[in-house]
Amino acid sequence: QEQLVQSGAEVKKPGASVKVSCKASGYTFTNYDINWVRQAPGQGLEWMGWMNPNSGKTGYALRFQGRVTITRNTSLNTAYMELSSLRSEDTAFYYCVRLSVDCSGRCHNWFDPWGQGTLVTVSS
Amino acid sequence: QSVLTQPPSVSGAPGQRVTISCTGSSSNIGAGQDVNWYQQVPGTAPKLLIFGKNNRPSGVPDRFSGSKSGTSASLAISRLQPEDEADYYCQSYDNSLSNSYVFGTGTKVTVL
Repeated sequence: QEQLVQSGAEVKKPGASVKVSCKASGYTFTNYDINWVRQAPGQGLEWMGWMNPNSGKTGYALRFQGRVTITRNTSLNTAYMELSSLRSEDTAFYYCVRLSVDCSGRCHNWFDPWGQGTLVTVSS
Repeated sequence: QSVLTQPPSVSGAPGQRVTISCTGSSSNIGAGQDVNWYQQVPGTAPKLLIFGKNNRPSGVPDRFSGSKSGTSASLAISRLQPEDEADYYCQSYDNSLSNSYVFGTGTKVTVL
């Protein structure tokens, strides 16, 4: 089945960087955008950015621009999200998710499937 | 900082019907952007619940339905079941300067 499997939990010190991976299977990796969403403990969902795995083109939420980089390795069907200059407020679960699309008629898109999430803890 | 506002919590007894509102603006829901809904059981990843024009993925009961009007959307859960207790998020796209996907603030549904 179509699924995204993420790398394991990370513990980082303030000021460091973290890189989370997201491996796709069960579908053609280059056909759908990959997005990243994070969720701080007890908080809501926050969209961070997207990447087109075919072209490598990316777009980032304004509040993360300059600190986040989304890349891919098409031979491994894997996307990566790197967040730099980490601070305690970046402690959160980070999810990769596919942007599914249906353009039979007017185009509709939605987030599915989701990765299982990666907990990143930032602590001195 | 979310541009889509939801009530923090709603509750109902088993068998009852509850609705969750999602209030946006003219740059997202009011601009005709899709509203999708996700269910998140604590400790797990969000799961797609409603997408496009009130479509449900395979396996989602028809007790869940979505609607949209003007700058708002709603999720209705009829015949409430204990397993419906979870957090629910609406999601859309905002074509203002931010040009980004946006989520609602989230609503905790409690089955009494």
